[in-house]
Amino acid sequence: DAKTTQPNSMESNEEEPVHLPCNHSTISGTDYIHWYRQLPSQGPEYVIHGLTSNVNNRMASLAIAEDRKSSTLILHRATLRDAAVYYCILRDWNAGGTSYGKLTFGQGTILTVHP
Amino acid sequence: ETGVTQTPRHLVMGMTNKKSLKCEQHLGHNAMYWYKQSAKKPLELMFVYSLEERVENNSVPSRFSPECPNSSHLFLHLHTLQPEDSALYLCASSLSPGQGADEQYFGPGTRLTVT
Repeated sequence: DAKTTQPNSMESNEEEPVHLPCNHSTISGTDYIHWYRQLPSQGPEYVIHGLTSNVNNRMASLAIAEDRKSSTLILHRATLRDAAVYYCILRDWNAGGTSYGKLTFGQGTILTVHP
Repeated sequence: ETGVTQTPRHLVMGMTNKKSLKCEQHLGHNAMYWYKQSAKKPLELMFVYSLEERVENNSVPSRFSPECPNSSHLFLHLHTLQPEDSALYLCASSLSPGQGADEQYFGPGTRLTVT
């Protein structure tokens, strides 16, 4: 799987928008961009994924650059419950062979939300 | 119960003990996974089961022995562990592990301490 680069940490204030960046300059045309987050003392939680177009769901929005070499996870109004480690992960559309079912987690971005 | 459950949530065991971790998913998924999360390290995939067949063994020592009796249950049998095996063990499930758009759902994890 291609590699992603994320800032080690970011801070935000409660009820403000948060933009979490991810660089993936070696992304292939068939890689999906996934975001997961891990709250303290919990397992990771799926947030959102996309391929080429921007995506919205009840948790967040995903903005994908036109050249797909970067993406941004957007939390529209951060709450204290959004404090977590956010992971940006690439997965090939046909995840076979040694990539079968595999999520390759990096260090992620630690998001701190201030009241 | 909904989602992915894991028992026990905490486990302390000696190096000569034998214990088992249990995972159950109530999502109707076809694949189940074991991940390991050590302190200060990213999550590492250990095993993948698809339709009760092991399809991935990520170079895991034989002192970890997985078992998947049906698509809803997954076990990790532990014996003669080492202190460096102390970690958070996470179970996950998904519907279509061979597809890049597949979403994984994680349990809360079992915090294992080997003394």
